[in-house]
Amino acid sequence: QKEVEQDPGPLSVPEGAIVSLNCTYSNSAFQYFMWYRQYSRKGPELLMYTYSSGNKEDGRFTAQVDKSSKYISLFIRDSQPSDSATYLCAMIRGGSNYQLIWGAGTKLIIKP
Amino acid sequence: SAVISQKPSRDICQRGTSLTIQCQVDSQVTMMFWYRQQPGQSLTLIATANQGSEATYESGFVIDKFPISRPNLTFSTLTVSNMSPEDSSIYLCSVVFGNSNQPQHFGDGTRLSIL
Repeated sequence: QKEVEQDPGPLSVPEGAIVSLNCTYSNSAFQYFMWYRQYSRKGPELLMYTYSSGNKEDGRFTAQVDKSSKYISLFIRDSQPSDSATYLCAMIRGGSNYQLIWGAGTKLIIKP
Repeated sequence: SAVISQKPSRDICQRGTSLTIQCQVDSQVTMMFWYRQQPGQSLTLIATANQGSEATYESGFVIDKFPISRPNLTFSTLTVSNMSPEDSSIYLCSVVFGNSNQPQHFGDGTRLSIL
């Protein structure tokens, strides 16, 4: 079993819809949670970085962390065709030894 | 925000040759990482290159195949040696600004094709 599970999709939704992207994890040692967006032929771009359980909002994006369920989500409101990309979740274990674990990435397609 | 530059952005090489990829950051960082990414897949960590110490390689990657240099706090190189078609991939460098619990930031990668 992988430490971080993420459905690779593709996920196809119409423009304007609310998108929900999710990751689950098995190790309660993960303390820091990130969402990255990666366009074709580009490096991953950091979208959201959170530490505690709860919600963090940035424009049309909301990151949600539920540590008790070991579940994180990224919501995109009013989705646009320009949001079409691969979204990767990533997690860092707490402590002095830096270790970042990646999800598989979900390919998102927003249809005009 | 800081700029992370990779060179070359893409290359086509003959099997048996070697290619050195450069990663330049416009501010000083302690932690740098090198990844490989196959099309449509997630990132696979090759090695961690912290300034002042030898690079640490992940399982399946060895120094003879992927030698890394980290001469200062703003620059690193990854060499892909004795290339074969299986080495065709995207190679990415990333950095961490600040302490060890911060996220990584990436360059745009090097697309490498081996004939």
